[in-house]
Amino acid sequence: QSVLTQPPSVSAAPGQKVTISCSGSSSNIGNNYVSWYQQLPGTAPKLLIHENDIRPSGIPDRFSGSKSGTAATLGITGLQTGDEADYYCGTWDSSLSVVIFGGGTKLTVL
Amino acid sequence: QVQLVESGGGLVKPGGSLRLSCAASGFTFSDYYMSWIRQAPGRGLEWVSYISNRANTIYYADSVKGRFTISRDNAKNSLYLQMNSLRAEDTAVYYCARERGGHYWDFWGQGTLVTVSS
Repeated sequence: QSVLTQPPSVSAAPGQKVTISCSGSSSNIGNNYVSWYQQLPGTAPKLLIHENDIRPSGIPDRFSGSKSGTAATLGITGLQTGDEADYYCGTWDSSLSVVIFGGGTKLTVL
Repeated sequence: QVQLVESGGGLVKPGGSLRLSCAASGFTFSDYYMSWIRQAPGRGLEWVSYISNRANTIYYADSVKGRFTISRDNAKNSLYLQMNSLRAEDTAVYYCARERGGHYWDFWGQGTLVTVSS
């Protein structure tokens, strides 16, 4: 059972927008940066967002991140079939002194 | 360009040992913290361990503490994970990843599969 809670799946039509939530607590999201990763089938995870809302170079601005209190959100606009993947949030837990990930969310673009 | 190439995975019996390696190139390895992150078949990501750039700070997940040892050789641009007392639940693809401040990973290797089975 993950310390960070993500919905198991989300879906939307091509061109639409979707948000993926990541819920934690004051010991993790509440006091630490959140990062987001995309994992396409059969590949290694890829960094999408770091430090809550910063996109690395090369990541389209269709992807965005935000954080409020003990929850973080990944937003994807203009959905494409190539966005179908698993998405993970991650952060540090200051109480446990460990890195934690959410359980992952499978995005389906209908 | 940054490259991380893991090796050393394979089939091992419960209770056995394995040593994973990660060869880094394309960046100044000694400047960066590094992590091992694993993914059991059909499951999510699980952080295993990280090591600071000079190896003076190391953390482990509770699930591997006392059984796994992370190390690095900056002269060889290499990261290692010594895994002892392996269990079936350690079966996973093991990724090495470059860690940045704020605990995020900007480059990942392709992973190496470890299977623990009799």
